[in-house]
Amino acid sequence: QKEVEQNSGPLSVPEGAIASLNCTYSDRGSQSFFWYRQYSGKSPELIMFIYSNGDKEDGRFTAQLNKASQYVSLLIRDSQPSDSATYLCASQGAQKLVFGQGTRLTINP
Amino acid sequence: DAEITQSPRHKITETGRQVTLACHQTWNHNNMFWYRQDLGHGLRLIHYSYGVQDTNKGEVSDGYSVSRSNTEDLPLTLESAASSQTSVYFCASSTGGWTEAFFGQGTRLTVV
Repeated sequence: QKEVEQNSGPLSVPEGAIASLNCTYSDRGSQSFFWYRQYSGKSPELIMFIYSNGDKEDGRFTAQLNKASQYVSLLIRDSQPSDSATYLCASQGAQKLVFGQGTRLTINP
Repeated sequence: DAEITQSPRHKITETGRQVTLACHQTWNHNNMFWYRQDLGHGLRLIHYSYGVQDTNKGEVSDGYSVSRSNTEDLPLTLESAASSQTSVYFCASSTGGWTEAFFGQGTRLTVV
């Protein structure tokens, strides 16, 4: 079992709708969780991080963490074509940063 | 501005050759990581370091080695390149603790 699991997609969402990306992790010692966005041919860039149970909002993005269920999600509201990218979930425990396989998201105009 | 740079950006090498990919960061970060990225696998951790003289194996470390002689650099060496090591390699760094990692631009390595 991989430490961090994501649905690889592709996930297709109409413009203006909510995109929902999910991630599960196996290491209960993980303390922090990150969502990175990666455009084709580019490096990953951080969108959000979360370390407390519940929701964290930043503009159109909301990260959700449920440590009991070992589940992390990212919601993108009012999806834009520029949100089309691969989204990588990562967990950090003992300073080791482990990534899932990524979910490819396409926003259709 | 502080940054993290990888070199070369692209490299083609022959099977069996030793190859070294460079990673240099100017943030004075303690933690440095090497990942490879292949279609369908996301970022897989190769090696990581918490500081000078410290190195640790990740999930796909076979055939790779690293050394950390100073804070700024973590070179990745492929001892004897194999076609299965054709990939895009990313270096990243972070401060100690639960903080985000910053990534280099990536190195596309092709082993023929």
